[in-house]
Amino acid sequence: AQSVTQPDIHITVSEGASLELRCNYSYGATPYLFWYVQSPGQGLQLLLKYFSGDTLVQGIKGFEAEFKRSQSSFNLRKPSVHWSDAAEYFCAVQGPGNQFYFGTGTSLTVIP
Amino acid sequence: DTGVSQDPRHKITKRGQNVTFRCDPISEHNRLYWYRQTLGQGPEFLTYFQNEAQLEKSRLLSDRFSAERPKGSFSTLEIQRTEQGDSAMYLCASSFPGEPQHFGDGTRLSIL
Repeated sequence: AQSVTQPDIHITVSEGASLELRCNYSYGATPYLFWYVQSPGQGLQLLLKYFSGDTLVQGIKGFEAEFKRSQSSFNLRKPSVHWSDAAEYFCAVQGPGNQFYFGTGTSLTVIP
Repeated sequence: DTGVSQDPRHKITKRGQNVTFRCDPISEHNRLYWYRQTLGQGPEFLTYFQNEAQLEKSRLLSDRFSAERPKGSFSTLEIQRTEQGDSAMYLCASSFPGEPQHFGDGTRLSIL
């Protein structure tokens, strides 16, 4: 069965510091993987996606993620965090019926 | 492209009442998805349509829930005889096949 684990419920970083959010997935075939961001009371905005090819994918807002098949991971990174990055981040894997399976999310707090 | 639109943004109702939510997808997107998100959790898949056909339903979609997409454009999600446990954010998303899903801002349902 497909599933996504985000081990960190909450992360706090200082503005300007680097960020890495962890995501592990379980999926029998080659996964389609996504990172979304959600601000309070809002829907989800796509940050980046991995379908195939280069395992390092670039997204919007300076985010990138690396697919590591051997570790079943798809961690999200940003070299320098901005206060506006404070939000909830969700990793998702696309199932065979095209529905998404989301992790429980990581809440990011940015300290000035 | 005006994005995915959901109405209402917030619905407050008494237990036992019926409620209906509407989703207008991005025009020309033939796939439409419904998800439910409770506090502190990631979105959980409920059902999806390709054009007017409902192709998959989650076990979460009890017989009190029904979704329609009669003309392959907008969709409605109805919950009959609402229960406390139905309180959640209901998210709609749309996409082309094989493409990432675009989410609306959701309808927050509060059951008194």
